[in-house]
Amino acid sequence: GAVVSQHPSRVICKSGTSVKIECRSLDFQATTMFWYRQFPKKSLMLMATSNEGSKATYEQGVEKDKFLINHASLTLSTLTVTSAHPEDSSFYICSASLTGTSYEQYFGPGTRLTVT
Amino acid sequence: EDQVTQSPEALRLQEGESSSLNCSYTVSGLRGLFWYRQDPGKGPEFLFTLYSAGEEKEKERLKATLTKKESFLHITAPKPEDSATYLCARHAGNNRKLIWGLGTSLAVNP
Repeated sequence: GAVVSQHPSRVICKSGTSVKIECRSLDFQATTMFWYRQFPKKSLMLMATSNEGSKATYEQGVEKDKFLINHASLTLSTLTVTSAHPEDSSFYICSASLTGTSYEQYFGPGTRLTVT
Repeated sequence: EDQVTQSPEALRLQEGESSSLNCSYTVSGLRGLFWYRQDPGKGPEFLFTLYSAGEEKEKERLKATLTKKESFLHITAPKPEDSATYLCARHAGNNRKLIWGLGTSLAVNP
């Protein structure tokens, strides 16, 4: 149980284009989903918290107009990197939190984004 | 400010050599201490949640324990497949965010 999928697993795009990453909870409903960014050999950096049906809450320093997050249903959240630049190249990981009082998060397999 | 500190940063063990990883945290309002395993190029895999001092949980060669100020992840007779980065996190206050440590990179040599 508590399986989260992410698509695509790898994507290469050109500078200036936009890319969308999907995160799905496959066997549970997730009121809250999270988007992280991870640099090589570094820990997880939370970008934003996404609640179903409401606007995402972005962490300080994360540009909300560049990283668009939509959480349209209890099983799907999307992250769109707009006008991508090479410095946006990174490993992006989503997670989902079960409803209720349990706070553990279940992670997707991650998406490796390379901007050329 | 809520913080999570993990030590050591890196650990190299021989197969069968038991050891422990440490995770210390600031005390205020703990609502869960979490352990994850992360393999290179993959998302973290949930291992354990601990809620109160004295609590212990086990899974195969791993046992997690919790005191009022720190948590330990004990690895008994590790195998090379236990090599990974182990992340510790605590729940952060009134929302569902987690505060993450920087992880311990474990390498188990055959």
